[in-house]
Amino acid sequence: AQKVTQAQTEISVVEKEDVTLDCVYETRDTTYYLFWYKQPPSGELVFLIRRNSFDEQNEISGRYSWNFQKSTSSFNFTITASQVVDSAVYFCALSEANMEYGNKLVFGAGTILRVKS
Amino acid sequence: NAGVTQTPKFQVLKTGQSMTLQCAQDMNHEYMSWYRQDPGMGLRLIHYSVGAGITDQGEVPNGYNVSRSTTEDFPLRLLSAAPSQTSVYFCASSRTGPNEQFFGPGTRLTVL
Repeated sequence: AQKVTQAQTEISVVEKEDVTLDCVYETRDTTYYLFWYKQPPSGELVFLIRRNSFDEQNEISGRYSWNFQKSTSSFNFTITASQVVDSAVYFCALSEANMEYGNKLVFGAGTILRVKS
Repeated sequence: NAGVTQTPKFQVLKTGQSMTLQCAQDMNHEYMSWYRQDPGMGLRLIHYSVGAGITDQGEVPNGYNVSRSTTEDFPLRLLSAAPSQTSVYFCASSRTGPNEQFFGPGTRLTVL
């Protein structure tokens, strides 16, 4: 069975600090996809990134970066120079790579990030 | 495009009542799904559909029914509401396959 663990329940940082959100996953599939979603206080879910299991290159998008390590089954998310607007719940999720049967996501419990000014 | 819309935004039910949560998308996505979000548990898949006329169970389907008569609509029915179904419900849609899912704004349901 697939499983996603986000061990950090809540993290508090001061603005401009760097912060890393951890994500560890379990799957027996050799091909799979990993996602990060953001849920700001307004409640909607915002897609951040999708990464497939064959692409272990790190990804950078502005202040956001992702480190995928298959050897440790981890897909960690780093925010550089955090801002108050980064305060949100962040979810890591895992999907099997089944093109026919859609897109069943298994979510982690989420990490609450609080950025203080 | 309105994206994914959900109604109602809030709902209070008494134990035993039934109701339908509505979900619609205007992106012509084949795949639609329902999740529930509970504190400390992330989102869990209730039911999903890979196209009109095709539905299947997710991780937590008990107490819920779905149907998919059109590509656009995917309603979720609570047959006999229980306090354990108090949650925030999200509908999502995407192209078939492990693609980005677009989520609706959510429905906050309280069962007394």
